[in-house]
Amino acid sequence: EVQLQQSGAELVKPGASVKLSCKTSGYTFSNYYMSWLKQMPGQNVEWIGNIYGGNGGTGYNQKFKGKATLTVDKSSSTAYMDLSSLTSEDSAVYFCARTDSNYYFDYWGQGVMVTVSS
Amino acid sequence: DIVLTQSPALAVSLEQRATISCKTSQNVDNFGISYMHWYQQKPGQQPKLLIYEGSILASGIPARFSGSGSGTDFTLTIDPVEADDIATYYCQQSKDYPLTFGSGTKLEIK
Repeated sequence: EVQLQQSGAELVKPGASVKLSCKTSGYTFSNYYMSWLKQMPGQNVEWIGNIYGGNGGTGYNQKFKGKATLTVDKSSSTAYMDLSSLTSEDSAVYFCARTDSNYYFDYWGQGVMVTVSS
Repeated sequence: DIVLTQSPALAVSLEQRATISCKTSQNVDNFGISYMHWYQQKPGQQPKLLIYEGSILASGIPARFSGSGSGTDFTLTIDPVEADDIATYYCQQSKDYPLTFGSGTKLEIK
């Protein structure tokens, strides 16, 4: 069974950084991309970028370049996303999602709420 | 960026048919594949894949759900609608980067 388990909710101060994790199981991590997506309260979903589990190759939405950095640890089948210089506009739920070769999202993590507040 | 346009809400009666549309600002077909996908999201949950590549039912999804369309006009149909289908439905294109979503259609019961 494919599972994506995300880390817990985060409360961070403006200007700080946060690192989110997405631990996977039930499939060969290095054979798939992992995407990260953002959903602000009551809003639609935005694609942040993706990273290939095999070689760490990345693709980013231009909107999130400089804000998000994606990495993987193949040894633990875990994907990470660093978010930097956080502002209130970064307060949102962030999802990781396994990404098929035709770039749709077939399995999702449960999401993690990031709240940026002083 | 490719823009996907959905109606904000749709109200249908139980056991009737729901038709949710998604129009794209550019053609999302290529070499016979429609790079259009549909998701269901219930409050407080992650989105769930329903339909991929325009019309292929994802694993475990009931046959009440179907997808159709090509080019710039796509439709998700739920027939018949059940109470458990109350959710927001999103379309997503993967023809071009950045991958983009529609703003979602909230399905309500009359």
